[in-house]
Amino acid sequence: GDSVTQMEGPVTLSEEAFLTINCTYTATGYPSLFWYVQYPGEGLQLLLKATKADDKGSNKGFEATYRKETTSFHLEKGSVQVSDSAVYFCALSDPGGNEKLTFGTGTRLTIIP
Amino acid sequence: DTAVSQTPKYLVTQMGNDKSIKCEQNLGHDTMYWYKQDSKKFLKIMFSYNNKELIINETVPNRFSPKSPDKAHLNLHINSLELGDSAVYFCASSQWRGGRPTGELFFGEGSRLTVL
Repeated sequence: GDSVTQMEGPVTLSEEAFLTINCTYTATGYPSLFWYVQYPGEGLQLLLKATKADDKGSNKGFEATYRKETTSFHLEKGSVQVSDSAVYFCALSDPGGNEKLTFGTGTRLTIIP
Repeated sequence: DTAVSQTPKYLVTQMGNDKSIKCEQNLGHDTMYWYKQDSKKFLKIMFSYNNKELIINETVPNRFSPKSPDKAHLNLHINSLELGDSAVYFCASSQWRGGRPTGELFFGEGSRLTVL
């Protein structure tokens, strides 16, 4: 079945550091890929998405590129802020069309001033 | 104006009891979901309804019964609660475009259930 593997957390970085959170996937067909973010005490919010190979999703300074050859969708940001502290989830959609999202296990990011 | 709202936010109850969590969305979306998030933050889909019709029903004990009275509401009723049911339950909604799902889900703030 479909699956998503994220790098284990927690990840702690200093403000203005470069961020990479790795995500790889296994799926039949051609899924869409997503990054969701969960701030403390809140529900998940869509951060960015990519629907086909080589697409780059971007939002709030975060970027991720859909790499079909390496089945990856790594999240990057050039300069993180304290307000980026949250749990980040990589996810893929079922290409079968019933909108079942399969999530990774989440990566907790803490940014220290 | 909260887009996806769940009640209650916190629920503490004894094993064996029956409880319900309610969800409402004011986004006009056709599809609603229930997800379970365990203590390690792992998220797993439980159910999905599209226009009041059940379209996803994962391997969930039949003690869990979703009900969608209309497309803006999806409630979750749990019978005979067990310790392992303790988790945060998230409601979400989405809108399909062009007859296809977008994968863009809007989540509620979650309902933390603690079973003692």
